[in-house]
Amino acid sequence: DAKTTQPTSMDCAEGRAANLPCNHSTISGNEYVYWYRQIHSQGPQYIIHGLKNNETNEMASLIITEDRKSSTLILPHATLRDTAVYYCIVRVAGGTSYGKLTFGQGTILTVHP
Amino acid sequence: EADIYQTPRYLVIGTGKKITLECSQTMGHDKMYWYQQDPGMELHLIHYSYGVNSTEKGDLSSESTVSRIRTEHFPLTLESARPSHTSQYLCASSALPHRGQGFYGYTFGSGTRLTVV
Repeated sequence: DAKTTQPTSMDCAEGRAANLPCNHSTISGNEYVYWYRQIHSQGPQYIIHGLKNNETNEMASLIITEDRKSSTLILPHATLRDTAVYYCIVRVAGGTSYGKLTFGQGTILTVHP
Repeated sequence: EADIYQTPRYLVIGTGKKITLECSQTMGHDKMYWYQQDPGMELHLIHYSYGVNSTEKGDLSSESTVSRIRTEHFPLTLESARPSHTSQYLCASSALPHRGQGFYGYTFGSGTRLTVV
């Protein structure tokens, strides 16, 4: 699986957009980019995923660069409840190792009033 | 309302005891996973299952064992608990992706925080 690099921590003001970057320069053509978050002491929560097109759902938007070597998760109007660890994971969707997600250190996002 | 349930939520137990952490999901997912996470640290996959009667060890070596007799149930057992087993244990499940679509996502339980004294 391609390795990802994320900043250790970020801050964001409540109500502003939070933009969380992720570098995955060794990504392969059949690998998807997934984002999860983990709020303190809870299980991780799926946010969004994409292959090469930008994606949007009710939680967030995912912007993937044209060369697919990096992506940005956007929380358009961050709230205090968005304070969490955000994980960027690159993973194939098939093959014998299908389904196993490997979590790195992630980015600690702190939303402040 | 949770679709994947873990019990107990917290457990404090003495060294040498046998314990079973329960995990059940109501989504009919064929794939289930156990992760171990120490406070402030990464999640590590310790066991996974691709279906009934299928279990595999994960990326992190663990002294625990698992079973998958029913689709919805994936319990984890420690035959003899030790203080080194103190950690949070997270269960997850996922389904096959639809053809032409990517992997949809894992659903995680709330976790069991185990303390062995």
